[in-house]
Amino acid sequence: SQQGEEDPQALSIQEGENATMNCSYKTSINNLQWYRQNSGRGLVHLILIRSNEREKHSGRLRVTLDTSKKSSSLLITASRAADTASYFCATDDYGGSQGNLIFGKGTKLSVKP
Amino acid sequence: DSGVTQTPKHLITATGQRVTLRCSPRSGDLSVYWYQQSLDQGLQFLIQYYNGEERAKGNILERFSAQQFPDLHSELNLSSLELGDSALYFCASREGTTDTQYFGPGTRLTVL
Repeated sequence: SQQGEEDPQALSIQEGENATMNCSYKTSINNLQWYRQNSGRGLVHLILIRSNEREKHSGRLRVTLDTSKKSSSLLITASRAADTASYFCATDDYGGSQGNLIFGKGTKLSVKP
Repeated sequence: DSGVTQTPKHLITATGQRVTLRCSPRSGDLSVYWYQQSLDQGLQFLIQYYNGEERAKGNILERFSAQQFPDLHSELNLSSLELGDSALYFCASREGTTDTQYFGPGTRLTVL
């Protein structure tokens, strides 16, 4: 079953603008990860944020986590056409304790040159 | 390049057939996870192995099985294939110190 729900399902912006994607989840987590997937290709790991962290940065990426609201957001600043992809949040199966990931349905980002 | 390899990249087969998908984890990673990505179900966890032993099962059909060998590569066996099994199959290996999962490029299975 799906744990996370990304919002919006699709986002279209111009190059240079910022893109914000949100993820909500249902149960307690140890960590939350964001992945990028170019059309029909493999998943690229972007960033992992632990449940005791509130914000994390990596290059043009900024991730926040609010465990009280069970939500996370991914901000891509100064977007480029190459950022066009689907973005997924994934939470670990807290109760399972083996680390398998539960994915949302993703946000499809389109960055127009 | 994540360091996780999967073969083959594409597989086209007929209903009722059996196929084997292969995955090699990143050097040093002991855990292998298998996931299925389909249009209607999204990305779903199938099964996990750690150092040769099955550790967790997700939404894996009885027609599917997997194993992890002493050299840590893993194989996912899909049998009595149905049209609905057409999907992208990913494996991932998990870095022990950070819990990050690195995904392979996937195998696209088409069942005709």
